Amino acid sequence: SQTIHQWPATLVQPVGSPLSLECTVEGTSNPNLYWYRQAAGRGLQLLFYSVGIGQISSEVPQNLSASRPQDRQFILSSKKLLLSDSGFYLCAWSVPWGGGEQYFGPGTRLTVT
Amino acid sequence: AQRVTQPEKLLSVFKGAPVELKCNYSYSGSPELFWYVQYSRQRLQLLLRHISRESIKGFTADLNKGETSFHLKKPFAQEEDSAMYYCALRSGSARQLTFGSGTQLTVLP
Repeated sequence: SQTIHQWPATLVQPVGSPLSLECTVEGTSNPNLYWYRQAAGRGLQLLFYSVGIGQISSEVPQNLSASRPQDRQFILSSKKLLLSDSGFYLCAWSVPWGGGEQYFGPGTRLTVT
Repeated sequence: AQRVTQPEKLLSVFKGAPVELKCNYSYSGSPELFWYVQYSRQRLQLLLRHISRESIKGFTADLNKGETSFHLKKPFAQEEDSAMYYCALRSGSARQLTFGSGTQLTVLP
């Protein structure tokens, strides 16, 4: 069966420090991969999605970037964190031909101090 | 561009009462609509999609293209239904979803 992992589960970082959040999927090939930010009262904001290795679509221009170095690995990064980057980050995957039914990871709680 | 609106951030009902979570969308084409749910300390997961026209955990949702709505309904709410509910739209064959801002449902004993 398919599983999705995210780490770390929680992270506290100072302003101006770099960020790297990792997401990996097991049990499927060539999935679509997604990064979301979940904020109270603002719902789920799609940040990036990828349909293949090295293919990244950015939905919201901001202080973050994403990379997909391997088929089932999706990384969210920042060179210098801002206070406004604090939030709950979710990774998700869907089958290659799909996009409606997405399977979510446990999330990472990021606090920028 | 497509948009999904959930007008209620918070909704409280008593156990056994009917519940309706509202969802309106704007999209010029033929959309695919979904409801996702996140129970306390659990992962966000798909509840139902309009094309399957099924009832999950007693919940149903009908796509009304005339009113551009996809409201989620259950005739008799249970305490275990308390959760955050998100409505989402997929436009055409897009690989991504547009989510609403969510409604926190609390079912009171």
